[in-house]
Amino acid sequence: DTAVSQTPKYLVTQMGNDKSIKCEQNLGHDTMYWYKQDSKKFLKIMFSYNNKELIINETVPNRFSPKSPDKAHLNLHINSLELGDSAVYFCASSQGGGEKLFFGSGTQLSVL
Amino acid sequence: DQQVKQNSPSLSVQEGRISILNCDYTNSMFDYFLWYKKYPAEGPTFLISISSIKDKNEDGRFTVFLNKSAKHLSLHIVPSQPGDSAVYFCAASATGYFGNEKLTFGTGTRLTIIP
Repeated sequence: DTAVSQTPKYLVTQMGNDKSIKCEQNLGHDTMYWYKQDSKKFLKIMFSYNNKELIINETVPNRFSPKSPDKAHLNLHINSLELGDSAVYFCASSQGGGEKLFFGSGTQLSVL
Repeated sequence: DQQVKQNSPSLSVQEGRISILNCDYTNSMFDYFLWYKKYPAEGPTFLISISSIKDKNEDGRFTVFLNKSAKHLSLHIVPSQPGDSAVYFCAASATGYFGNEKLTFGTGTRLTIIP
């Protein structure tokens, strides 16, 4: 039973399209995150939500919009995709916003 | 500005020997440090952590050492096993208001254990 699951695993799309990545955790955690790993392998936080409330927004373009319908789900919607958005996106969760994160297996986004 | 640095992109170690992975940081506000392990096509998994009030933390074959004055930490794996072959990420955080601590990651070191 996967603790943090995200779909799809691979996403190939054209520039200008809009796409979504879904994430669900069954750990009962109250905090969820989106991280981006770019081509240089930097793993950087994008957003964090605590009990459906946005807590961290790391100067991410407003083309990226996270949505948390409940504390077990955090989806990421990306409008007007650009070449530079190509990366691996990881969803994660933790209890009480602690540092011990549980990560999903990642979504490889390729923008052509 | 890269606040957490792992200067060795890769490391190869003979099975049974000690693996030492290094990490340097620049932000003196960091007070909690973690190591994550990542296999291909999987997300990082938590391995071990250390608070800045300690200089050593041990968990089975894994030991993390913290040298605050040098702003340096290291992960020791003894003895190294083939299943340890993975990318290891160092991460750090600074205590903020309650909850939602933000982790800053290094770029990882790929460890290969040679049978």
